[in-house]
Amino acid sequence: KNEVEQSPQNLTAQEGEFITINCSYSVGISALHWLQQHPGGGIVSLFMLSSGKKKHGRLIATINIQEKHSSLHITASHPRDSAVYICAVRQYSVNYGGSQGNLIFGKGTKLSVKP
Amino acid sequence: NAGVMQNPRHLVRRRGQEARLRCSPMKGHSHVYWYRQLPEEGLKFMVYLQKENIIDESGMPKERFSAEFPKEGPSILRIQQVVRGDSAAYFCASSRGSRDRDLLIGEKLFFGSGTQLSVL
Repeated sequence: KNEVEQSPQNLTAQEGEFITINCSYSVGISALHWLQQHPGGGIVSLFMLSSGKKKHGRLIATINIQEKHSSLHITASHPRDSAVYICAVRQYSVNYGGSQGNLIFGKGTKLSVKP
Repeated sequence: NAGVMQNPRHLVRRRGQEARLRCSPMKGHSHVYWYRQLPEEGLKFMVYLQKENIIDESGMPKERFSAEFPKEGPSILRIQQVVRGDSAAYFCASSRGSRDRDLLIGEKLFFGSGTQLSVL
């Protein structure tokens, strides 16, 4: 079993729909990242969370540390949101220098938003 | 204010040749990370470097792979005697870096566009 699991693997939505992508992890973490990988391959960091909820435009990310679960929501989805969304966790380590950037990645959720 | 720059964008090598991938971090960033994305697989951490130091290389293959981040110039990921299994997208990311643990944990990563390595 992977340490970071995402669901669904693939998601097709109609423009305007509310979208939820889920991420579950099995290790203790110090932070969780949501990344967006465009069809051309470039990666953009959307959020970094260690607790609670963050919002940026139409994107909302939440995390429940006790349940080891995070969700990424997209409101009023648009075809330009089509991309692969990747959840990644930074495993907790007393050696903070060693854990920084040593992320464990999920396999990604491929989102396609149809006009 | 340029982002993280990786070059080349595409690199083709024959088996047995050497591949050199370059990463220039964002201005003001002193921490660099390399990741590999094999076809149909997720990203995997390879190495974390600060200027002139390798901090964490737990994700690097034991042989043929090396990385450096010199005092001047870009970070280099070097793959010697490439094999077909090395074909992948290699991504670099950078962060500002901090001596404060909480700030370091809270650091956002900025990614380059990647280098697609194809081994013939």
